Amino acid sequence: DQQVKQNSPSLSVQEGRISILNCDYTNSMFDYFLWYKKYPAEGPTFLISISSIKDKNEDGRFTVFLNKSAKHLSLHIVPSQPGDSAVYFCAASASKSGGSNYKLTFGKGTLLTVNP
Amino acid sequence: DTAVSQTPKYLVTQMGNDKSIKCEQNLGHDTMYWYKQDSKKFLKIMFSYNNKELIINETVPNRFSPKSPDKAHLNLHINSLELGDSAVYFCASSLAYQAKNIQYFGAGTRLSVL
Repeated sequence: DQQVKQNSPSLSVQEGRISILNCDYTNSMFDYFLWYKKYPAEGPTFLISISSIKDKNEDGRFTVFLNKSAKHLSLHIVPSQPGDSAVYFCAASASKSGGSNYKLTFGKGTLLTVNP
Repeated sequence: DTAVSQTPKYLVTQMGNDKSIKCEQNLGHDTMYWYKQDSKKFLKIMFSYNNKELIINETVPNRFSPKSPDKAHLNLHINSLELGDSAVYFCASSLAYQAKNIQYFGAGTRLSVL
């Protein structure tokens, strides 16, 4: 039962253009969403996040959009650079009562290739 | 300084053996995790420890036993290794009681069971 889905296994874009990575989720209890970037032979690295009370969060070239009604989020990278080539994971968490630590549920990842 | 470090990076062993993977974090976090990334590339949580206390155990076989001697360390011991245990195991850490569950990951341990 995939609660977080990234339906595009791969995406290829030209340097300087926009990269849009998509993510869908099914669990209405998710209240925080994160994007991680992963290079080969390395661990995932946190990139950007968004709370369910917001619909947009921007950090430099990276913007995450959240559409709660559609249970959909997307990561926009503008402009894309060759160094952005990596696997991007969407992750979600659902806070528990009492504010204890939360587990992350990951999507399968999308391999982004930015061509020079 | 590596924030979350795992050893070994690669582990090749025979079926039936027992092996351990070690993880240490120097971020001052109080929560540590083990994730498994299988051949289908899904990253799935296995265990979570908060202040040395087991918080999450995601129906992992009893052959897997995590041990947290202190907040900065979380080790994973695997008994009677099976072919299906071949995967990349990631350790992560975070601060509990924060709405942003930003977890910091180690580089992973690639386990190959022959």
